[in-house]
Amino acid sequence: EVQLVESGGGLVKPGGSLRLSCAASGFTFSSYSMNWVRQAPGKGLEWVSSISSSSSYIYYADSVKGRFTISRDNAKNSLYLQMNSLRAEDTAVYYCARDTGGLWGQGTLVTVSS
Amino acid sequence: DIQMTQSPSSLSASVGDRVTITCQASQDISNYLNWYQQKPGKAPKLLIYDASNLETGVPSRFSGSGSGTDFTFTISSLQPEDIATYYCQQYDNPSITFGQGTRLEIK
Repeated sequence: EVQLVESGGGLVKPGGSLRLSCAASGFTFSSYSMNWVRQAPGKGLEWVSSISSSSSYIYYADSVKGRFTISRDNAKNSLYLQMNSLRAEDTAVYYCARDTGGLWGQGTLVTVSS
Repeated sequence: DIQMTQSPSSLSASVGDRVTITCQASQDISNYLNWYQQKPGKAPKLLIYDASNLETGVPSRFSGSGSGTDFTFTISSLQPEDIATYYCQQYDNPSITFGQGTRLEIK
């Protein structure tokens, strides 16, 4: 089955760190660029970061630049998001999405609160 | 960065109505535009890609049109299961951007 499954979300204090993972299956992961997109409670969709298929090109939203790091391991069919210096406004469901958006995971909730 | 202006922000319509949502890009994005449907607690579902192509398995009452900066999403005959929030998304630029969303309700 073609799918993406996120994990690693949870409750973290402001200033803390968290690492999200996205496990891909059912397709050739190494052929696709990947993205992280988030959605704050009751709000719209916000693109967070993108990484090309070979990790040659990486982009971040201004809101997370310098704090978040996207990476991937094509041998493990996995995408990651290292989130440091977390703020209350980073609270959201984080989705991984393939390429231009044809495949999304179910999301993982990150809550930043003291 | 490319800004996407989506309207209306909310819409109330009756079953069987024709529903139209528009999205305007702040610069030419050719046809690099998707339309998504999102129901509460669920991930977005791709309905239309490349501005006008229907994703496999999506009912034909959904359609999209436009290119450049102006795009339109249409539901030809609204069904009860279409109640959701709809988003446009551009992918011309390395930084993807979404419209603000349109919440669709049944009148």
